Amino acid sequence: GEDVEQSLFLSVREGDSSVINCTYTDSSSTYLYWYKQEPGAGLQLLTYIFSNMDMKQDQRLTVLLNKKDKHLSLRIADTQTGDSAIYFCAEARGNEKLTFGTGTRLTIIP
Amino acid sequence: DVKVTQSSRYLVKRTGEKVFLECVQDMDHENMFWYRQDPGLGLRLIYFSYDVKMKEKGDIPEGYSVSREKKERFSLILESASTNQTSMYLCASRESSYEQYFGPGTRLTVT
Repeated sequence: GEDVEQSLFLSVREGDSSVINCTYTDSSSTYLYWYKQEPGAGLQLLTYIFSNMDMKQDQRLTVLLNKKDKHLSLRIADTQTGDSAIYFCAEARGNEKLTFGTGTRLTIIP
Repeated sequence: DVKVTQSSRYLVKRTGEKVFLECVQDMDHENMFWYRQDPGLGLRLIYFSYDVKMKEKGDIPEGYSVSREKKERFSLILESASTNQTSMYLCASRESSYEQYFGPGTRLTVT
């Protein structure tokens, strides 16, 4: 299909790892992104991965890319209350327009 | 610090009114974008612009138009607002690098 797909909701206990999954559509996408949206705010780039990479780690964040299955995931280690937000994956297609997923609302359980 | 600003955080308009949403960026970016965000649908691209006076339709342009007279300013226009245009509107800008910067959003309610 044409859509970038994500689960709408995820709940995780504080201190556990969160894994947010995304299925994208275009095998020729050059960059894949994770954005974070806190309540009442715009989107902020969290991290990105170039399409020729399998994994990228940045402090508590780990991005995994499976090009064969067109699957992208974001792992947040030691999840904190400040990680509560909506997380969007996005792919850069063709002329570099970004196509966004539906967003996953991450809720932290104390 | 990079900055994308939008003219209003909250806006309430009546059906049939003409509505202007303004976006300004201070990074000298060539590319600017307007999205709308709705629960369960993510961000959908309305219009974008690669240069002054240039515009291209995104995925859902119906009922909207845009104006880019200066490089730093990209306006979204609702010619005759309807209730199904109640939404969060997000502006973004980007240079040729990978990062796209977003404004804080305008929550528009059409009654």
